[in-house]
Amino acid sequence: DGGITQSPKYLFRKEGQNVTLSCEQNLNHDAMYWYRQDPGQGLRLIYYSQIVNDFQKGDIAEGYSVSREKKESFPLTVTSAQKNPTAFYLCASRAQGGTEAFFGQGTRLTVV
Amino acid sequence: QKEVEQNSGPLSVPEGAIASLNCTYSDRGSQSFFWYRQYSGKSPELIMSIYSNGDKEDGRFTAQLNKASQYVSLLIRDSQPSDSATYLCAVNPGGATNKLIFGTGTLLAVQP
Repeated sequence: DGGITQSPKYLFRKEGQNVTLSCEQNLNHDAMYWYRQDPGQGLRLIYYSQIVNDFQKGDIAEGYSVSREKKESFPLTVTSAQKNPTAFYLCASRAQGGTEAFFGQGTRLTVV
Repeated sequence: QKEVEQNSGPLSVPEGAIASLNCTYSDRGSQSFFWYRQYSGKSPELIMSIYSNGDKEDGRFTAQLNKASQYVSLLIRDSQPSDSATYLCAVNPGGATNKLIFGTGTLLAVQP
């Protein structure tokens, strides 16, 4: 089955910890995205990558880091510098050329 | 001014009626426009994409684009209770970037 897989579905982080959210796609898409969604809010762009070994900051990149070593993978690290990380994190991918994006099932991160 | 704006709602319509969802965007060079449906606690799923001025119909859904007015809308005919969800408008701004910017979403409630 082609698609985007995010893991884990639920994640709990202690104060001061770094955590990494996984995103893998087998759609052969060039572009990948990370969004954050807070309750009752829209999607805010954290980071995006248009090609392997290259990525750009979105609107709310502070406290987050990413890598794009392989076309299929775009992991997101939530660092201890992110003071309010509790949110629903969504990964998406799309082919180049302005086509539609497809989403993974999301990771719900909670700080305990 | 936000890049993509939507009325947060809730928009309440009776079953069988037409639901009209609206979205405006600020980047006049935007090329690609998308409507996503998001059920509570789930990830967004693509409903419609539209790239040129005019109407595009797919079943009960019609997307309308007016680039001169920087306006895109989604009409849902014969609304069903199962259509109750948040509808997100997404725009690919112009230029070399492959960003995908989302509005905050409109909550639609279809009353049986």
